[in-house]
Amino acid sequence: EDKVVQSPLSLVVHEGDTVTLNCSYEVTNFRSLLWYKQEKKAPTFLFMLTSSGIEKKSGRLSSILDKKELFSILNITATQTGDSAVYLCAIQGGSEKLVFGKGTKLTVNP
Amino acid sequence: GAVVSQHPSWVICKSGTSVKIECRSLDFQATTMFWYRQFPKQSLMLMATSNEGSKATYEQGVEKDKFLINHASLTLSTLTVTSAHPEDSSFYICSASRTGEKLFFGSGTQLSVL
Repeated sequence: EDKVVQSPLSLVVHEGDTVTLNCSYEVTNFRSLLWYKQEKKAPTFLFMLTSSGIEKKSGRLSSILDKKELFSILNITATQTGDSAVYLCAIQGGSEKLVFGKGTKLTVNP
Repeated sequence: GAVVSQHPSWVICKSGTSVKIECRSLDFQATTMFWYRQFPKQSLMLMATSNEGSKATYEQGVEKDKFLINHASLTLSTLTVTSAHPEDSSFYICSASRTGEKLFFGSGTQLSVL
């Protein structure tokens, strides 16, 4: 059974800090790993990772995948209060469906 | 802009009534859509995979007779919560993907059963 474990479950930082969110997984027939940001309602897409070692970057956010060690990290630099959200990691295996981790709740204080 | 539309955004109903939630892919055909449920402070849990023209595939522990899924066209899937009870109160969200692309999520439906 496909499985995703995220850590930490909760994180509180101050504006300007850099954070690293972790995601480890077990999957049959890996297709992709995805990161989403969920604030109040529907998750919004951040990154899709399919290849090891290639960093994806969008502004202050970046992510990388290690398919050998079965994990991914999401980095946020110079955090802002608007980054406060739950960050979800999901894995896509043999079918199109996604299996989500429990998420990391990030709180950025001013 | 949104590529998956979900309606309604929120609904309050009495215990014992049925509630229908619609999920539409706006500018693409989706042979497969997914229905998730999220309880407060929990992650998204897949309920079922909706397949156009055939029966939905339910995840273990999800009652197929209670959560009726109909995928009658390539752009519309519906989830009906039958005889809803307070424990069914949750955030329900659908998703679909264009071929080879990431999943897009609908805006979600917050269901409150009194």
